[in-house]
Amino acid sequence: QKEVEQNSGPLSVPEGAIASLNCTYSDRGSQSFFWYRQYSGKSPELIMFIYSNGDKEDGRFTAQLNKASQYVSLLIRDSQPSDSATYLCAVNLSGGSYIPTFGRGTSLIVHP
Amino acid sequence: DVKVTQSSRYLVKRTGEKVFLECVQDMDHENMFWYRQDPGLGLRLIYFSYDVKMKEKGDIPEGYSVSREKKERFSLILESASTNQTSMYLCASSPTGGGSYEQYFGPGTRLTVT
Repeated sequence: QKEVEQNSGPLSVPEGAIASLNCTYSDRGSQSFFWYRQYSGKSPELIMFIYSNGDKEDGRFTAQLNKASQYVSLLIRDSQPSDSATYLCAVNLSGGSYIPTFGRGTSLIVHP
Repeated sequence: DVKVTQSSRYLVKRTGEKVFLECVQDMDHENMFWYRQDPGLGLRLIYFSYDVKMKEKGDIPEGYSVSREKKERFSLILESASTNQTSMYLCASSPTGGGSYEQYFGPGTRLTVT
């Protein structure tokens, strides 16, 4: 069973802090990694994807991938109350699969 | 920007009714997906399609069928709605070229079966 694990949270951080969200996956051959943001009652929105080991930055968001340790992280700098949402990690498994496996998400609360 | 639209945001149906949920994408994506999302259970894949008239079962296909007659349109059918099909239904599409396979979701349909 290929799995993607996330801590359900909630993760609570003060406004302006760095929020760190983590995701581990079981399939060592996984090739593509995605972070989605989902506001309550809304659909998931793609915010970042990463393929290579290391960091990828996009504005206040940084995705970090460590294939040897099989984890991918999302850092949100200068967190804002509008970042409060559930963050879903998704992983495309080895063999060129285009069907991602989703984690169940981490709830983030940014308090003023 | 990729746009995925779904026919209804909210829908209320009675037990035993036949229900059609429609999804349209405007980015010429090959792949389309139907999920349902329930509290505590995450996203669960019902059916997917990688080409016109092609369909594959996902993790929970029982009680559902799908149709893809045109590339941009993917329909989910509940043949005889039951109360345990009350859920948020999400459609998504993804490209095949480039190997990225990132998914883009529609706004979702919250279906209530009474």
